[in-house]
Amino acid sequence: DAGVIQSPRHEVTEMGQEVTLRCKPISGHNSLFWYRQTMMRGLELLIYFNNNVPIDDSGMPEDRFSAKMPNASFSTLKIQPSEPRDSAVYFCASGRSGTNEKLFFGSGTQLSVL
Amino acid sequence: SQQGEEDPQALSIQEGENATMNCSYKTSINNLQWYRQNSGRGLVHLILIRSNEREKHSGRLRVTLDTSKKSSSLLITASRAADTASYFCVAPGTYKYIFGTGTRLKVLA
Repeated sequence: DAGVIQSPRHEVTEMGQEVTLRCKPISGHNSLFWYRQTMMRGLELLIYFNNNVPIDDSGMPEDRFSAKMPNASFSTLKIQPSEPRDSAVYFCASGRSGTNEKLFFGSGTQLSVL
Repeated sequence: SQQGEEDPQALSIQEGENATMNCSYKTSINNLQWYRQNSGRGLVHLILIRSNEREKHSGRLRVTLDTSKKSSSLLITASRAADTASYFCVAPGTYKYIFGTGTRLKVLA
């Protein structure tokens, strides 16, 4: 298996632009998490999907952030409009829900908003 | 909160020495997990210990769990430069995997 695949690996954009981050979870996994990591805040849980349904989005910082999971093999995290304070590394992770077993993380997207 | 809190925040040791880092949590758990993050990469699962286990080994890793104290420790024996990374613990609840700030381990060659 290729693992969790995230794209792009790096994204540089200007303030006000729309940014879309993509994630392909491991086949057979039915839980998906989006995290954001910064030096100041550490690793923050943004949103959790189970069976493609958003279960908990309480970590989404504000309405500029939205996430979707149209099917079991694809999820997006969108920021519109982007701001410099959104600069961070965004990680996607997948696992099998109901088991509390290990998560598999993607390599992350390094986002820089200028 | 299902968050794990690691201690110390940073640790610097010589190659060949053992590294010990600790984790505390607040709620009852069914397992506790340790992950490693190399600089600029995603977290990688290292080891999982269930609530009815007290100790577990995996290669040079040894994890202990004390549910009465709500704490765990990760021991890396005979450390190598390649062990330089951040280490996180997590005690997942129903579904939330909330990570702490981690222990930054530096192994000096």
